[in-house]
Amino acid sequence: NAGVTQTPKFRVLKTGQSMTLLCAQDMNHEYMYWYRQDPGMGLRLIHYSVGEGTTAKGEVPDGYNVSRLKKQNFLLGLESAAPSQTSVYFCASTGTSGSPYNEQFFGPGTRLTVL
Amino acid sequence: KQEVTQIPAALSVPEGENLVLNCSFTDSAIYNLQWFRQDPGKGLTSLLLIQSSQREQTSGRLNASLDKSSGRSTLYIAASQPGDSATYLCALILTGGGNKLTFGTGTQLKVEL
Repeated sequence: NAGVTQTPKFRVLKTGQSMTLLCAQDMNHEYMYWYRQDPGMGLRLIHYSVGEGTTAKGEVPDGYNVSRLKKQNFLLGLESAAPSQTSVYFCASTGTSGSPYNEQFFGPGTRLTVL
Repeated sequence: KQEVTQIPAALSVPEGENLVLNCSFTDSAIYNLQWFRQDPGKGLTSLLLIQSSQREQTSGRLNASLDKSSGRSTLYIAASQPGDSATYLCALILTGGGNKLTFGTGTQLKVEL
């Protein structure tokens, strides 16, 4: 079991460029999440998905889009990157069965810098 | 809106000491509470999860308690070691849809030799 993996680990973008972050999980989890972590702000939820083909907005969704075409993958897109999107991005997943259910598992993170 | 606070923000203790980290929240309608550790430059590692119907959970030298009525959770670390040095985060899932986590501000722990 690889758990939750994220691609890429690091990326530097110029303002206005676009990119997609990929999250994959091999635990057959229904729920997947994208968070960003910033100094002094803690972890904040960007978007989440409760199942294949469904997505919903979190606390800070502006400037981001997501897609969940396959149960195991959750993509986070930045259409036109801005310096304010410089952050560390974490993906997480959780299931609704097993014990302890609802425990969230996190990926290693993607460190993104927008110049 | 649920607010989650962790005090202290930073803590330094000598090796071998027992210690308690605190997590306070404003909304008692929680589904469960999860404690994580985060090493510098790394992701989050789940330590313990307490469901709303439980009062505590134990794993090795760690014990987490939950008191919904007072809006508090504590993480007790026994016989601390330098390898315990990390940032500890508590996070809540409120009742309702999505199983979304609301994170605390974190406590940065340093265990010195």
